[in-house]
Amino acid sequence: GAGVSQSPSNKVTEKGKDVELRCDPISGHTALYWYRQSLGQGLEFLIYFQGNSAPDKSGLPSDRFSAERTGGSVSTLTIQRTQQEDSAVYLCASTPMADTQYFGPGTRLTVL
Amino acid sequence: GDSVTQMEGPVTLSEEAFLTINCTYTATGYPSLFWYVQYPGEGLQLLLKATKADDKGSNKGFEATYRKETTSFHLEKGSVQVSDSAVYFCALSDRQTSYDKVIFGPGTSLSVIP
Repeated sequence: GAGVSQSPSNKVTEKGKDVELRCDPISGHTALYWYRQSLGQGLEFLIYFQGNSAPDKSGLPSDRFSAERTGGSVSTLTIQRTQQEDSAVYLCASTPMADTQYFGPGTRLTVL
Repeated sequence: GDSVTQMEGPVTLSEEAFLTINCTYTATGYPSLFWYVQYPGEGLQLLLKATKADDKGSNKGFEATYRKETTSFHLEKGSVQVSDSAVYFCALSDRQTSYDKVIFGPGTSLSVIP
């Protein structure tokens, strides 16, 4: 069946520009997560959506980062005024109520 | 708060060697424990899981036993192959304190040489 999809797969942008990253979770999964993985590093939690509850934004590194999840399905991560240190792979994962996370392939963001 | 600690890598082994990657956790509730694997150029995928004490998760020759008394979930494989080269992440999900929020360890890079 269809897994978690993310778009674009690669994004190259100039410093100071805004970018939007999209995640389509598996249908019916109630929870959705965004992570950031810098080169050679582990996973950095960014934000977590669970059903209709208020999202857990505790991992967002600055106010330039925001995310929304429309209709309990698709999510968009927005980074405003991108900086070079924002360059990383951004991973999305969704989960049913059974704990296991299903990851998308990620979006590789490069800020020049 | 809840946390996961893994042995630092990188780990380099010869083919057919025995593998152990240590993982310990801190949790206030009764978490589920996971190992995820990330092969080069790919996304993370679940390798195995255990949901209660003394459970053993297993997959692709890998095993890990949920040890509540030592708060550990060490990953083992009896004979590694070159194709096992990847980054391995230990993780927990503590539903009593954080619903489905999953906390990952920093990852351990494994390289298997022929």
